[in-house]
Amino acid sequence: KNEVEQSPQNLTAQEGEFITINCSYSVGISALHWLQQHPGGGIVSLFMLSSGKKKHGRLIATINIQEKHSSLHITASHPRDSAVYICAVVGGNKLVFGAGTILRVKS
Amino acid sequence: NAGVTQTPKFQVLKTGQSMTLQCAQDMNHEYMSWYRQDPGMGLRLIHYSVGAGITDQGEVPNGYNVSRSTTEDFPLRLLSAAPSQTSVYFCASSHRAGGELFFGEGSRLTVL
Repeated sequence: KNEVEQSPQNLTAQEGEFITINCSYSVGISALHWLQQHPGGGIVSLFMLSSGKKKHGRLIATINIQEKHSSLHITASHPRDSAVYICAVVGGNKLVFGAGTILRVKS
Repeated sequence: NAGVTQTPKFQVLKTGQSMTLQCAQDMNHEYMSWYRQDPGMGLRLIHYSVGAGITDQGEVPNGYNVSRSTTEDFPLRLLSAAPSQTSVYFCASSHRAGGELFFGEGSRLTVL
């Protein structure tokens, strides 16, 4: 079993829909990252969480340390949100990544 | 302020050749790390450093060497390239291991 599991693996949504991507992990962590990677592009950091909830524009990230679970929500989705979303956990000095969720938002 | 600069962007090697992927950051970050990204497997940590003179192995270190002689630079060396090292490589930095991550643009390496 992978230390970091993301679901779903693939997600297709209509423009305007509310989107949720989930991340579950099995190890103790000090922080969790949500990253975005556009096709053929680089990787950018969306959020870094150690507890609670963060919001940036239409993006919201939450984490439940006791349940070892985090969610990334996108409100009013747009085709430019189409990308791979990656969850990564920090344990000690090492990062472990989920396999990513491929999101496609259709107009 | 360039952020994280990674070179080269593309490289083709023959089996057995050596090369160095360069990574430099101008944000005075202590933590730097190298990852490989393969289809269906996500990013995997190769090596990391928590400061100048300090390096450690990640999940997939075999076949790769690193050094950290300065805070700014963290090169990744392939001493004898193998086809299994065909991948996209990313360098990243942050103030500390749990801090906000800044990634380089990636280097696509093909080993024939």
